[in-house]
Amino acid sequence: QSVLTQPPSASGTPGQRVTISCSGSSSNIGSNTVNWYQQLPGTAPKLLIYSNNQRPSGVPDRFSGSKSGTSASLAISGLQSEDEADYYCAAWDDSLNGHVVFGGGTKLTVL
Amino acid sequence: QLQLQESGPGLVKPSETLSLTCTVSGGSISSSSYYWGWIRQPPGKGLEWIGSIYYSGSTYYNPSLKSRVTISVDTSKNQFSLKLSSVTAADTAVYYCARHVTVTRPNFDYWGQGTLVTVSS
Repeated sequence: QSVLTQPPSASGTPGQRVTISCSGSSSNIGSNTVNWYQQLPGTAPKLLIYSNNQRPSGVPDRFSGSKSGTSASLAISGLQSEDEADYYCAAWDDSLNGHVVFGGGTKLTVL
Repeated sequence: QLQLQESGPGLVKPSETLSLTCTVSGGSISSSSYYWGWIRQPPGKGLEWIGSIYYSGSTYYNPSLKSRVTISVDTSKNQFSLKLSSVTAADTAVYYCARHVTVTRPNFDYWGQGTLVTVSS
């Protein structure tokens, strides 16, 4: 059971806009920034969004992040077949002397 | 270009200690700007943060693993290491090392390729 809650799956067709949610609490998302990772099959995760809505260099602007209260969302517009991957949210949790928490991951399927 | 590479045994017996090393190249582990962390992923499952270390030796651990984990740093070798004691089959996972900017911001921007560690007799 992950501290951050994500839907296990999401899907969309090419060109569509898809959103993935990440729900937490006041001790994590509610008081700290959220990061998003993309993990393609058989590879290490890749930082997709940091500090709620910032994209690292090289990440297409089709990917965007937002945060409101104790929830965050990742939006992917203009969905492409290569976006099919697992997506994880992560945040710092202030409880228990502080620790990093991840969401359980969302498998995105491009139909 | 910064690179991280995990190394260590791929098979560990139950009740023994898992030991892995992450070698950093293309940059200094002693940079005051970064923390260095370990993350694992059991087969077919999600990511779990194990802990992180600063070059000075300050450590931060996952509360659920804290009693069994030790992370250390060797700045002379540009390496940091993970030791996980009393392993069971539940510790079978791909273990990744990664860099992040601050301990309270898990923006892991550089990752190793990962190494599979299987716990089995």
